[in-house]
Amino acid sequence: GAVVSQHPSRVICKSGTSVKIECRSLDFQATTMFWYRQFPKQSLMLMATSNEGSKATYEQGVEKDKFLINHASLTLSTLTVTSAHPEDSSFYICSARERQGSPYEQYFGPGTRLTVT
Amino acid sequence: GQQLNQSPQSMFIQEGEDVSMNCTSSSIFNTWLWYKQDPGEGPVLLIALYKAGELTSNGRLTAQFGITRKDSFLNISASIPSDVGIYFCAGTTSGTYKYIFGTGTRLKVLA
Repeated sequence: GAVVSQHPSRVICKSGTSVKIECRSLDFQATTMFWYRQFPKQSLMLMATSNEGSKATYEQGVEKDKFLINHASLTLSTLTVTSAHPEDSSFYICSARERQGSPYEQYFGPGTRLTVT
Repeated sequence: GQQLNQSPQSMFIQEGEDVSMNCTSSSIFNTWLWYKQDPGEGPVLLIALYKAGELTSNGRLTAQFGITRKDSFLNISASIPSDVGIYFCAGTTSGTYKYIFGTGTRLKVLA
């Protein structure tokens, strides 16, 4: 149980274009999903918290107009990187909190490797 | 953003040896969690700790929530090659479910 998927697993896009990443909870309902960014050999940094049906809350220093988050259902959240630039290249990982489970435990997706050329 | 300090940063051990790593903070945490991340994958939850002093095992893994609530350690007994990976601690502070992640401990096991 508690499986989270992400799509795509890898994406390469040209500078200036936008790319959408999907995060799905496959076998549970997720009231809250989190989006993280991880640079090579570094830890995970929280970008934003997304609650179903409401606006995402962004961490300090994360541009909400650049990283658009939509959490339209209890099983799907999307992150859109708008007007991507090479410095946005990173490993993006989502996680989800089970509606019925511990509010402190997060289950992570396999990540999406974004490369902006 | 804030991060938790993990030590050691990396370690090479022989197969069969026991491993110990810890995570420290200057502030109090309400929960401590330990995750393992394989290359190119997302972290996988190993152990969650909810009370100061709590000691919890998951197979060959044992973790403890420090009594001061400012640290936690993870032990792996009788390491095997598949234990290779990066181990992250994560914690939450009062009033939030958001994680603060540790800097990670990279483990390599020599067969």
